[in-house]
Amino acid sequence: NAGVMQNPRHLVRRRGQEARLRCSPMKGHSHVYWYRQLPEEGLKFMVYLQKENIIDESGMPKERFSAEFPKEGPSILRIQQVVRGDSAAYFCASSPAGDSGNIQYFGAGTRLSVL
Amino acid sequence: LAKTTQPISMDSYEGQEVNITCSHNNIATNDYITWYQQFPSQGPRFIIQGYKTKVTNEVASLFIPADRKSSTLSLPRVSLSDTAVYYCLVGGYNKLIFGAGTRLAVHP
Repeated sequence: NAGVMQNPRHLVRRRGQEARLRCSPMKGHSHVYWYRQLPEEGLKFMVYLQKENIIDESGMPKERFSAEFPKEGPSILRIQQVVRGDSAAYFCASSPAGDSGNIQYFGAGTRLSVL
Repeated sequence: LAKTTQPISMDSYEGQEVNITCSHNNIATNDYITWYQQFPSQGPRFIIQGYKTKVTNEVASLFIPADRKSSTLSLPRVSLSDTAVYYCLVGGYNKLIFGAGTRLAVHP
C-alpha cells in the first residue's frame, strides 16, 4: 500500500511565477491536508479538503494560494506569483474518513525555493 | 485547541531509555494525545496515540496520568537512527497544531 505521494520533491521558481504542488493520498483515504514548514519550525496547517470540497482553509493566505482535490486525480496546491517568502517545505497528509483521533499520514514534502 | 509544552532539545546515548514529557494543561475531555516523529527532509511520521493510562506499540510507550494534563513518550533503548524531532499534539481533529517539538540527539 503506497504512502502519500508528493511531487515534485524539489521545485525552483523565480519571483512572479506559479508553483503547482501535487499530492496523491494513501489508497482509501478521502481527506487531504496541506501544511507548510519553515526551517527550524513546526508545521503550520493551511487547508483541509475532501473530494471536491474545501472543508477548512483557515490557514491559507487569502491571496495567491488555492487548493483543490478533484473527483479524479491528485490534490493540487497552487501558489500564484510566488515571492521569496513562499520558500518553504510543503507537506501533504491524508486520513481515512471517520478516523477516530484523526491520525494523519504525511508525504515526504515538496521543497519550494523561490529565487 | 490545547497548547502543548515540551523541552526544546534532549541528548541521549545509544541503548538508553528516553522519556520526553509534554504538558497540556488545557486538554479537553474528548482530546486524544498524539506523538509524531520527523527526520530531516521528511514528513512527520505517526508514532503513538493515547487517551488515558498507558499505550504501548512496537516503537514506543505513552504514559498518561489520570488528570491527563501531561503525557510522557518513552523510547526504549534508543539508537542513532532515533535522532529526530518529536512532536506532541493534542486535539485538533482536522487541523493538527504542531509546536516546535523536541530535538532528540542520540550519541554513540
